[in-house]
Amino acid sequence: AQSVTQLDSQVPVFEEAPVELRCNYSSSVSVYLFWYVQYPNQGLQLLLKYLSGSTLVESINGFEAEFNKSQTSFHLRKPSVHISDTAEYFCAVTAMNTGFQKLVFGTGTRLLVSP
Amino acid sequence: EPEVTQTPSHQVTQMGQEVILRCVPISNHLYFYWYRQILGQKVEFLVSFYNNEISEKSEIFDDQFSVERPDGSNFTLKIRSTKLEDSAMYFCASASGSPQHFGDGTRLSIL
Repeated sequence: AQSVTQLDSQVPVFEEAPVELRCNYSSSVSVYLFWYVQYPNQGLQLLLKYLSGSTLVESINGFEAEFNKSQTSFHLRKPSVHISDTAEYFCAVTAMNTGFQKLVFGTGTRLLVSP
Repeated sequence: EPEVTQTPSHQVTQMGQEVILRCVPISNHLYFYWYRQILGQKVEFLVSFYNNEISEKSEIFDDQFSVERPDGSNFTLKIRSTKLEDSAMYFCASASGSPQHFGDGTRLSIL
C-alpha cells in the first residue's frame, strides 16, 4: 500500500517570492508521482508527473519537482510565484507496473499568494 | 484537448433518495475511476473500472454504491440510498496509462 504526507496544510507567501511545497511518500513498491492543482471551485488538473528518467520534472508554468528516492520525497518548487498560483496542491502516487492502479493523494497544501 | 466531462455540476438530493452521477471519459481511454472529496479533506479513491468490471474498490464503496458503463461512452456512479455523509465532491477520472485525467467534479449535497 502507498501513503502520501503533505506536512504543510497552508503556505502563505508574497508574490514573486520562492515557494516549496513538501511531499513525502511511503510505498513497498516503486511508484509514479504526481502533483495536481485545484483552483477554487474547479476540478483537479495535472501539474506535473514523474514516471521515469530525469528526476527533475518541470511544468509549463514554472513549477518543478524533484524525485528523491532515498528521501522518498517529491517536493514542488517555484522560484517566483504569482497571485494566480493561489490554489490547493495535491501530491499523489500510484504503484508502478501493476496495471492502472488508483491514485493515493496527500491531504493537500493550500498556497496563498498575496501582493 | 479532450477532457473528462461530468454532469451535473451540482446535485441536491434528499436523504434516502437514489442519485446517479454521470461522466463522459476521454474517448480512447480504457480505465475509469471515481474519487470523492469531502469538504476540507483529501481526495479518496472509491472504485476503478476496466473491461466492463470493477478492478478495485475501497472500503468506502459499499453495497450502496454501484458503477456502470451503460452505452460505451458514459460512466455512471449510483448511490442507492443516500446518507448525509455522502455529501462531497465526486470526481470521475479516466486513463489510457498514466496520468489519470479528471473531470471538474459533481458537488453532491444531501439534505
